[in-house]
Amino acid sequence: QITLKESGPTLVKPTQTLTLTCDFSGFSLTSLTTGVGWIRQPPGKALEFLALVYGDDDKRYRPSLKSRLTIAKDTSKSQVVLTMTNMDPVDTATYFCTFRGRSDNFENWGQGTLVTVSS
Amino acid sequence: SELTQDSAVSVALGQTVTITCRGDSLHTYYATWFQQRPGQAPVLVFYGKNNRPSGIPDRFSGSSSGNTASLTITGAQAEDEADYYCNSWDITGDHYVFGGGTQVTV
Repeated sequence: QITLKESGPTLVKPTQTLTLTCDFSGFSLTSLTTGVGWIRQPPGKALEFLALVYGDDDKRYRPSLKSRLTIAKDTSKSQVVLTMTNMDPVDTATYFCTFRGRSDNFENWGQGTLVTVSS
Repeated sequence: SELTQDSAVSVALGQTVTITCRGDSLHTYYATWFQQRPGQAPVLVFYGKNNRPSGIPDRFSGSSSGNTASLTITGAQAEDEADYYCNSWDITGDHYVFGGGTQVTV
């Protein structure tokens, strides 16, 4: 059974750096056919792809946010960490961690974590 | 958004509704469809040419033609009331993109 759980601060100040951790189980992030991604959803708005890391450490980023995002995997801990620099109130959103499986789709999702950016 | 969806549709209980998703990348890549009920994480309901994950009712089906992908709910149930998002690769195949979502009211 695949599970994912997001953790991190619920409140960050503008200009600060956000660090979110995804703890996963039920798979090993060592194959190029698997990956873990981060997707966010501002309140009342649509889903937005942020970043994805494959088991072979290939990484993909949302072009408009690429300069602010870093995704990294720690296979030994079964974790994927997302950092986003220079946070702004418009970055207020629920951040989801997802499993990208062999079907090339986001097959499993964490419950999400709401991050509010406010001074 | 590089994938375009109608913002909202409504369907009578037991009737059929089709949600569409348009984008240039859909000429090359299949769309994936997610259902999201209020306050919950999205759930994968259809992907590829003709694939439904285990546990998804067979009233959900998909199709694709040119730059348009469609998700059809045949015999809509009350529990199908949700937001539906399409998802695919961008036209370069570099990163994923999502549609703006369609709110389905039953």
